[in-house]
Amino acid sequence: DTEVTQTPKHLVMGMTNKKSLKCEQHMGHRAMYWYKQKAKKPPELMFVYSYEKLSINESVPSRFSPECPNSSLLNLHLHALQPEDSALYLCASSQEAGHADIQYFGAGTRLSVL
Amino acid sequence: AQKITQTQPGMFVQEKEAVTLDCTYDTSDQSYGLFWYKQPSSGEMIFLIYQGSYDEQNATEGRYSLNFQKARKSANLVISASQLGDSAMYFCAMREGNTGTASKLTFGTGTRLQVTL
Repeated sequence: DTEVTQTPKHLVMGMTNKKSLKCEQHMGHRAMYWYKQKAKKPPELMFVYSYEKLSINESVPSRFSPECPNSSLLNLHLHALQPEDSALYLCASSQEAGHADIQYFGAGTRLSVL
Repeated sequence: AQKITQTQPGMFVQEKEAVTLDCTYDTSDQSYGLFWYKQPSSGEMIFLIYQGSYDEQNATEGRYSLNFQKARKSANLVISASQLGDSAMYFCAMREGNTGTASKLTFGTGTRLQVTL
């Protein structure tokens, strides 16, 4: 089973709202990732958690706040977003296997900021 | 300089035919991994195939094979017997190094494949 589950599938929020995206995997993977993908572009890495600790932050604005409550869960808290933050947000997980490390992705959350 | 280059923004192939999607890469590492992902319009990124830099055999997974030419730094994806369900965006990606830390993938710009009747 290579399933990564993301909720919600779609989210519409105003610029003053606070919302959270959720991601869950039960493959025993030790690394989890958040990506942002704009239309017709490749995914852009935002954050990486390794063994529940934040290991990479790609200079993401503080209005995006990641959280890893345990090894199976990853959240992305959103606050005071801008319309340009509208995108597909993808979660992924991997074993941490060196250069053979395969990332498995969820179906994504399509976010619209009004 | 681009680390992963996909020069074909869009490709058409007839059903049941084979198609090759091009990918070239640039790295000075000796140890690296190359990956192909499929992204249908639904949005999910689906892992297709992996090739390690030290692998002597080309990787194969069902109808997918990777034509790995190390000296030319190319890792083309070959899809045999195309099906309508193969219509999607295809991304080539690379992971450099062989450390134990969580991997950082570099993606190409993608190729949109359309399978026609």
